[in-house]
This record gives sequence, structure tokens and C-alpha cells, in this order.
Amino acid sequence: ETVMTQSPATLSVSPGERATLSCRASQSVSSNLAWFQQRPGQAPRLLIYGASTRATGIPARFSGSGSGTEFTLTISSLQSEDFAVYYCQQYNKWPPMYTFGQGTKLEIK
Amino acid sequence: EVQLVESGGGLVKPGGSLRLSCVGSGYTFESYTMNWVRQAPGKGLEWVSCISSSSSYMFYADSMKGRFTISRDNAKNSLYLQMNSLRDEDTAVYYCALGFDSPSFDYWGQGTLVTVSS
Repeated sequence: ETVMTQSPATLSVSPGERATLSCRASQSVSSNLAWFQQRPGQAPRLLIYGASTRATGIPARFSGSGSGTEFTLTISSLQSEDFAVYYCQQYNKWPPMYTFGQGTKLEIK
Repeated sequence: EVQLVESGGGLVKPGGSLRLSCVGSGYTFESYTMNWVRQAPGKGLEWVSCISSSSSYMFYADSMKGRFTISRDNAKNSLYLQMNSLRDEDTAVYYCALGFDSPSFDYWGQGTLVTVSS
């Protein structure tokens, strides 16, 4: 089983600044990597898939990069609504298998 | 508009059973693989199971194998999760999720809470 490890657990950033979140896979997942945002009391929201492709309707300030075992989610200029928990997820196409990281809480500094 | 609506959660005693449902609308339900994902209170996300569009295959996370059964009824646009031998650690919000326009999960329901407690 592929283990996904996110860092840091909590990230404190001021509005308007850039945030960089990391995700590491215990073995290569190629580019089969997604990022989700979850606000309190809400279902997760897909931001990025294929490591770098923004999902429909996701603002351009969200960008993803990486391949293999090291991935990054960058939020270029933090808005108030961006403070939330972020999860990375690896997806294996066959057999279907999905593993999430433990999450990074992005909080207001 | 794609919508997923779960139901069936509630309070159940350890060792008990519960059946969750999810109704999909706004898309051709019978054409897509469907998933269940859960989240324990204050914890992260955990994929539970998936079922192919025609029920040809079903897959489960290891910790759920043998206790949970996923199924679907395409005539009713419905997805199900039969949960047996429930344990305290199965307490979670259970979401149904769909990969409609991506290889991951781009649509989620609002979730239904399952509480396992004596």
C-alpha cells in the first residue's frame, strides 16, 4: 500500500501571501495525484488532479506540481476562503485504490 | 447539475448493521463508477469502496473487507453500502463520491453520519 505523507501538519500564512504545501508518496505514483480542499462542515472539494491539472472552476491561484514521489500545492495569493484543510490523494487506476494524506491545516497568521 | 445525496446514517450498537444509500442526479448514473469515502470525527479522509458502472467489479479498503458490501441499482440511480459487524472505529461521516470529469473524485455528497456506540 502506498502511504502519503503531508507536511507541514499546520501552516500559518498571512492573507495575500503564498502558501506551499507538500505531499510525499512512499513509492512512485507517477502523476496520479490529486489535491482536495475541505472547509469546516463541508465535503471535500477537488482542486487538482493529474498532479497539475486544475479541476473545473478552480481559480488560477491554485497550482500543483511534481511527479513520482514528491508533490507540491501552491496557492499564490491567499484569500480568506482559502484557509482550510488540504489533502493529497494518490489514485491507482487498476485495481482501483485511493490513499489520502493526513492533511495540512492552513491557518491565518 | 450533478448532485449526490446520502441517507441512512444513525446510531448503532457495536456489532450491529446499517445500510447507507446515495442517490445521484444530473448525470447518467449508470455510466460511472461510484465510491464511498469516510471521515472519522476530527480525522482525515479514508477511501472505503468502489463499484463499477455495471457492478462488474467491487473493491474495498483492507479494513472494510468482509464486513462492508457495496452495491448499486442503476434503475433507481442509487448506490448502497451495507455495513455489518460495526465497530466503534467505524464512527464517521460517510460520503459518496464520483469521478465524473476527472480520474479522482470531483463530486461529493453532503455526507451521512454513522455513530457506533453502546
